[in-house]
Amino acid sequence: DTAVSQTPKYLVTQMGNDKSIKCEQNLGHDTMYWYKQDSKKFLKIMFSYNNKELIINETVPNRFSPKSPDKAHLNLHINSLELGDSAVYFCASSQTGGALGEQFFGPGTRLTVL
Amino acid sequence: AQSVAQPEDQVNVAEGNPLTVKCTYSVSGNPYLFWYVQYPNRGLQFLLKYITGDNLVKGSYGFEAEFNKSQTSFHLKKPSALVSDSALYFCAVRGPNQAGTALIFGKGTTLSVSS
Repeated sequence: DTAVSQTPKYLVTQMGNDKSIKCEQNLGHDTMYWYKQDSKKFLKIMFSYNNKELIINETVPNRFSPKSPDKAHLNLHINSLELGDSAVYFCASSQTGGALGEQFFGPGTRLTVL
Repeated sequence: AQSVAQPEDQVNVAEGNPLTVKCTYSVSGNPYLFWYVQYPNRGLQFLLKYITGDNLVKGSYGFEAEFNKSQTSFHLKKPSALVSDSALYFCAVRGPNQAGTALIFGKGTTLSVSS
C-alpha cells in the first residue's frame, strides 16, 4: 500500500557512470516532482511533471534527464556522474486542484558517487 | 520570489514542555504554507497546511501552527513535547495552485526533545 515508492534506496557508483532512479505513485496524482537534498539537508526542486508534461526545470545540469512514461511514473537518469551529485533524491507527487496540493514524498534514494 | 526562513538551526526542549519551531515567509499574493517532518533516513511526512480560513491550523501528531499575516509568520507548536518528536522540521511555501508548482523549503530546524 506504499503511496510513493523509489528504487533503489541506496546507490553507490563511480564517477563517470550513468545511473537511473525510478519513482512510482499509486495515489492517482497528476503531478510528480524530483527534489534534491544535499549534505546540509537543504531541499531544492529539480523537476516537475504534470500529466507527463515537463513544467519545472530548475537550473540543473543537462546530465540530469527526467522521463515520465505515464502519470504514475517519473524516472531520473543521470549521465556522467560527478562527486557533487552525491545527495538524497526525493520523488514526490500531488494533485492539482481539490485539496490544494500537499505533496507526498517517497522514502528517498541516497546516491553516493565515489 | 517566494521564500521561507527558519531562523533556528536547532531547538532543544524537555519532554512535557511546549515547543515552538519558527518560520517566516515572503510571498507575493496569498501564501500556501506547509510543515513537513523528516525522521532520520526517512522521507518527508506532511504535518499540516494553511491555505485560507482559521489562523490556527491543527495537524498530525498533536502539532498545530499559527498563521500571522501581519508578522508573516507560520510557527509550528505543540503543547507538550515527546521524545519521539525529535526530528528535522521543514517549513515550506508554494504559490497559487498552478499545475506543477513546487514547494520552496526553509533550511530546516532540528528539534531535540530530552527526557
